[in-house]
Amino acid sequence: ELKVEQNPLFLSMQEGKNYTIYCNYSTTSDRLYWYRQDPGKSLESLFVLLSNGAVKQEGRLMASLDTKARLSTLHITAAVHDLSATYFCAVDIWSNQFYFGTGTSLTVIP
Amino acid sequence: EPEVTQTPSHQVTQMGQEVILRCVPISNHLYFYWYRQILGQKVEFLVSFYNNEISEKSEIFDDQFSVERPDGSNFTLKIRSTKLEDSAMYFCASNGQGRSGYTFGSGTRLTVV
Repeated sequence: ELKVEQNPLFLSMQEGKNYTIYCNYSTTSDRLYWYRQDPGKSLESLFVLLSNGAVKQEGRLMASLDTKARLSTLHITAAVHDLSATYFCAVDIWSNQFYFGTGTSLTVIP
Repeated sequence: EPEVTQTPSHQVTQMGQEVILRCVPISNHLYFYWYRQILGQKVEFLVSFYNNEISEKSEIFDDQFSVERPDGSNFTLKIRSTKLEDSAMYFCASNGQGRSGYTFGSGTRLTVV
């Protein structure tokens, strides 16, 4: 069974600091997705990474994919309070379903 | 921007009752999905639907669950006899090209009492 693990599970960081969330998965995949979820809300698509070495940036968030290491990272630069949310990675392995990671709950403290 | 619409947003039901969760996917999308998220946990796949039939389902999707696309726009998830452990947020999703990422609906919070 495919395992998708994120770390850390909980992250509390000060405004203005940088940090990285890691997503490891247990089998070969060339597609990885990052989603944001606010409490009680739906999943908002952040990034779609479609190949080894893919890097995408949007505002203070940057995501990358290393398919050989089976690792994706979500880097947060100069965090602001609005980034407080839970972040999920999800892996697609040529089946018709996504396997979601455990989620990282991010709290940005003023 | 096109949206996936789910109704109701919150449903409370008694154990043993049947519930139907409704979804209107994006109109030109071909692939439809249901996922669930128990409070505080990760999102879990239930079922995928393409060309008017189930293409994959998980172990969670047992005989109590069924899906239907009764007309050209709606996509429904039925739980025949709800259990307490069915309490969760249920998300519908759709996409147009199979592997380009989903658009999720806003979810239905199901509470079984």
